[in-house]
This record gives sequence, C-alpha cells and structure tokens, in this order.
Amino acid sequence: DTEVTQTPKHLVMGMTNKKSLKCEQHMGHRAMYWYKQKAKKPPELMFVYSYEKLSINESVPSRFSPECPNSSLLNLHLHALQPEDSALYLCASSQGRTLAGGFSDTQYFGPGTRLTVL
Amino acid sequence: GIQVEQSPPDLILQEGANSTLRCNFSDSVNNLQWFHQNPWGQLINLFYIPSGTKQNGRLSATTVATERYSLLYISSSQTTDSGVYFCAVDDKIIFGKGTRLHILP
Repeated sequence: DTEVTQTPKHLVMGMTNKKSLKCEQHMGHRAMYWYKQKAKKPPELMFVYSYEKLSINESVPSRFSPECPNSSLLNLHLHALQPEDSALYLCASSQGRTLAGGFSDTQYFGPGTRLTVL
Repeated sequence: GIQVEQSPPDLILQEGANSTLRCNFSDSVNNLQWFHQNPWGQLINLFYIPSGTKQNGRLSATTVATERYSLLYISSSQTTDSGVYFCAVDDKIIFGKGTRLHILP
C-alpha cells in the first residue's frame, strides 16, 4: 500500500474558525511533511516531522500548528487564518531522513486538502 | 539557498511526440526527485534520482550531479501525460517552478 490519505478534500472556513487537516499513511514511513501550494506555483515546504519529532519548521506563522500523534498520523491545526492562506495543502511521507531531518528517498504525496478562507 | 531552474516553462506537443525536460540546480545535492502533478493536483513521484539513469516504461531520467543538472525524457507522449512536471532537490525539498506540459490528441 503506497497510499497517503488526507481529509477533508475541501474545507471552507472563516477567519475566526478553528479547523484541522488530517494526514495518514500506513507504509511504515518515519518522515512526514506538510506543504502549501498556491495556484500555478510549486509546493512550498512548511514542516517536516522525523520519527514523530518536528525537525524542520520553515518559519511558518503560528496560526498553523502541526502535530504528529504517532508515526502514521499527521495533523495541521488551523486558527485565525487569513484569506491569503487559501491554498492546496499537501501531505507527504518518506521512509528515511538525513541528518538535517529532510528526506532521503522517495516521497509519496496525498491528494491534498483544498482550503478556502473567507 | 539552492536555486532550481526548470526548462522549458511550457511545452505543447502532439500525441506521440517525444520531449526532454531539464532541471538545473545551483549547488551539489544529495537528493533529487521528479514529480508529475495532474490537473486535479495529485503529485506522483516519477523518479528518485540523485545520480545516474533510471527508466520506467516511456519515462526515463538522468542526473549528472557533477554538472548540476537532471533530464526527464518522455517518449511517445499520451494525453494523460499532460500536467506539470517538477523537480525537487536537497534536504529541504526545494521545488523548481515546473514545466507545464500539454499533449494534444
């Protein structure tokens, strides 16, 4: 099974709402990632978890709060977002990690959550 | 940080044609991947290829790490090959801006 699942597929939220995005993989991977992708742009790395510990935070605003409850699950908690945060949020996983905490082999991506902030 | 440049930015081809996509990077890297993003947003890993040559069906890729570039070859294009092709490098998985490929039936 080489699948990464993400829920929900679509999310519309107001600027005062609190919501969470969920990502799950059952490939035994120990590195998991959150990306943000705006229309017609490449994905931008937000966070990397390696062995359930946050290893990379790319200076993401605190209104995005990641959580890795176990090796299969990755959450992204959202609070007080702005309209410019509307984007496709992608989760990925890979088997290994480097000393810097980044990937060391093939990454598998989920289908993404399309987020709209009103 | 590392700069990643992909060329061409856009490519329109007839079904059955062959194409070569290029990824240049500004510093040595330990990791390089090629991805295809379909029109629905799904990113599919095509190759993990920090060096050398790999082939998978109609697709093949070559990375010359010492010269800081990678090439993705697509032969006998099909309409399902349409989408955006990204290369991504380095521990922090820096993506290039992509090549948007459109295959005409």
